[in-house]
Amino acid sequence: TQLLEQSPQFLSIQEGENLTVYCNSSSVFSSLQWYRQEPGEGPVLLVTVVTGGEVKKLKRLTFQFGDARKDSSLHITAAQTGDTGLYLCAGAPSSNYQLIWGAGTKLIIKP
Amino acid sequence: DTEVTQTPKHLVMGMTNKKSLKCEQHMGHRAMYWYKQKAKKPPELMFVYSYEKLSINESVPSRFSPECPNSSLLNLHLHALQPEDSALYLCASSPGGGTYTFGSGTRLTVV
Repeated sequence: TQLLEQSPQFLSIQEGENLTVYCNSSSVFSSLQWYRQEPGEGPVLLVTVVTGGEVKKLKRLTFQFGDARKDSSLHITAAQTGDTGLYLCAGAPSSNYQLIWGAGTKLIIKP
Repeated sequence: DTEVTQTPKHLVMGMTNKKSLKCEQHMGHRAMYWYKQKAKKPPELMFVYSYEKLSINESVPSRFSPECPNSSLLNLHLHALQPEDSALYLCASSPGGGTYTFGSGTRLTVV
């Protein structure tokens, strides 16, 4: 059974601070996605990474895919209160139709 | 159109009721999914349809009955649900290759 370990599961920091969320696995993924979810809404895709070592930036968010395509990180610079939400990583083991989900990181940014 | 549309957004039903959740996408995606999500947890896969045929049923109780009338529509028929079935039900679609689009979900409450 493939697993995707996401950490931390909960993070509460002050506005302006930096943070990093990690997703790790012993398995290789053909792609890995990061989602942000608001309460009562569906997950919204932030980024998909597919190439080992790939780094993608989305404004203050930086996403990295490990060289071996087994792990990924999300780094937020100068967090804002609008970044508050549940962040989920999800890996596609191959080009089939299923996703392996991390447990999620509940992020709270305090003003 | 780059969205997955789910209706209704909220649903309250009794344990003896029959109701249906609807999902629609016009992106030409060949796979469609139903997920169940409890609060602060990642989505749990329920069903996968590939080319309008049920390809995966993750041991879901028969009180949940999926239907795919055509390549754009996916329904989830509900009958004799239990209070523990209360959750956010998410529909997603994918063209394959690890890219997914989620709907905003139906918040279901069983009373």
